[in-house]
Amino acid sequence: EVQLVESGGGLVQPGGSLRLSCAASGFTFSSYWISWVRQAPGKGLEWVGNVNQDGGTTHHVDSIKGRFTISRDNPQNSLFLQMNSLRPEDTAVYYCARDRYGRGSHDLWGQGTLVTVSS
Amino acid sequence: QSALTQPASVSGSPGQSITISCTGSSSDVGGYYEFVSWYQQHPGKAPRLLIYDVSNRPSGVSNRFSGSKSGNTASLTISGLQAEDEADYYCSSYSSYGPSYVFGTGTEVTVL
Repeated sequence: EVQLVESGGGLVQPGGSLRLSCAASGFTFSSYWISWVRQAPGKGLEWVGNVNQDGGTTHHVDSIKGRFTISRDNPQNSLFLQMNSLRPEDTAVYYCARDRYGRGSHDLWGQGTLVTVSS
Repeated sequence: QSALTQPASVSGSPGQSITISCTGSSSDVGGYYEFVSWYQQHPGKAPRLLIYDVSNRPSGVSNRFSGSKSGNTASLTISGLQAEDEADYYCSSYSSYGPSYVFGTGTEVTVL
């Protein structure tokens, strides 16, 4: 089955760290740009960042630069989001999404994993 | 990187057509790259791609959904509105700032 499955979410205190994972199956993972997109409770979608096919190029939204790092392990068909210095405003459901044509055309999404930053 | 502007809500009766606008700037929607996408999201579900590259539909998406763009504003039209179309809709565009992608503020569609 073609799918993405996120894991690693949970409750963390402000200033803490968390590492999210996204496991891909059913397609050639190494052929696609992959993005992280988040959605705060009751709010809209926010693109967080992405990584290219070989992991050598990443882009991030300004609000997470210097705190979050996106990486991938193609042999393991996995994507990661290392989140440090977490803030309450980082509380959201985090989705990984495949960019079908590398142009923001996110055609495959995971079910999301909830990250709650609170003391 | 401000969110693209969408109307908060749009409504229509079954069978009618509605249009959702998505307004950005010359750095994103109105920029050189025609990389505008549209997504549908039902409550508690992951988004679903409806339109990419302004007006292209992925396989499996109904032809009742169509996209267009003029200047700094993109639009999604839903024709023959159905009860199942009741959902939130988001536009997204490539932005030369970064580079990055930016989503719209989201539009809640209600079928009356």
